[in-house]
Amino acid sequence: AQSVTQPDIHITVSEGASLELRCNYSYGATPYLFWYVQSPGQGLQLLLKYFSGDTLVQGIKGFEAEFKRSQSSFNLRKPSVHWSDAAEYFCAVGAVYNFNKFYFGSGTKLNVKP
Amino acid sequence: NAGVTQTPKFQVLKTGQSMTLQCAQDMNHEYMSWYRQDPGMGLRLIHYSVGAGITDQGEVPNGYNVSRSTTEDFPLRLLSAAPSQTSVYFCASSRQTSTDTQYFGPGTRLTVL
Repeated sequence: AQSVTQPDIHITVSEGASLELRCNYSYGATPYLFWYVQSPGQGLQLLLKYFSGDTLVQGIKGFEAEFKRSQSSFNLRKPSVHWSDAAEYFCAVGAVYNFNKFYFGSGTKLNVKP
Repeated sequence: NAGVTQTPKFQVLKTGQSMTLQCAQDMNHEYMSWYRQDPGMGLRLIHYSVGAGITDQGEVPNGYNVSRSTTEDFPLRLLSAAPSQTSVYFCASSRQTSTDTQYFGPGTRLTVL
């Protein structure tokens, strides 16, 4: 069965510092990979997604993610964090064999220090 | 264009009571889904629908029923609420499948006493 692991529950970074959030997946084939963000008290919003092709994908709000097949990872990065980036970030997997099933990781809560 | 709307925002139930969480979208999306969010567990898929009259189970369907009589609406029913169903519930919709961009509603916080 497919699964998504986000090993960091909480991360704190200073404003202006770089950010990397980790995501590992378990799946027999290359899945469809996503990052969603949830601001406090809100629903989720798609940041970016990877289906195939270039392994470095650009998203909204200056985020990017890199797919590494050898490491089964899809880490999210941002070169300079803003206070408004404080939120919870979810990595997710869409099953290639069944586009209707979708699996989220447990999330990483990002705090940004002034 | 309201996107995905959910009602109510908050609800408190007693064990054994029933209720329906409402979800509506105005984007003419075929795919709609319900998730529950619990601390440390992310979001888990309860049920989904790929069009009017077509529903199927997700990862955690027990204790929940759904139906989809129109493209716009996808209500979630709790027939006999249990404390284990205390959670935040999100409805989402996307154009065709879960791998299209999903648009989420604001959520319903449910407490079962």
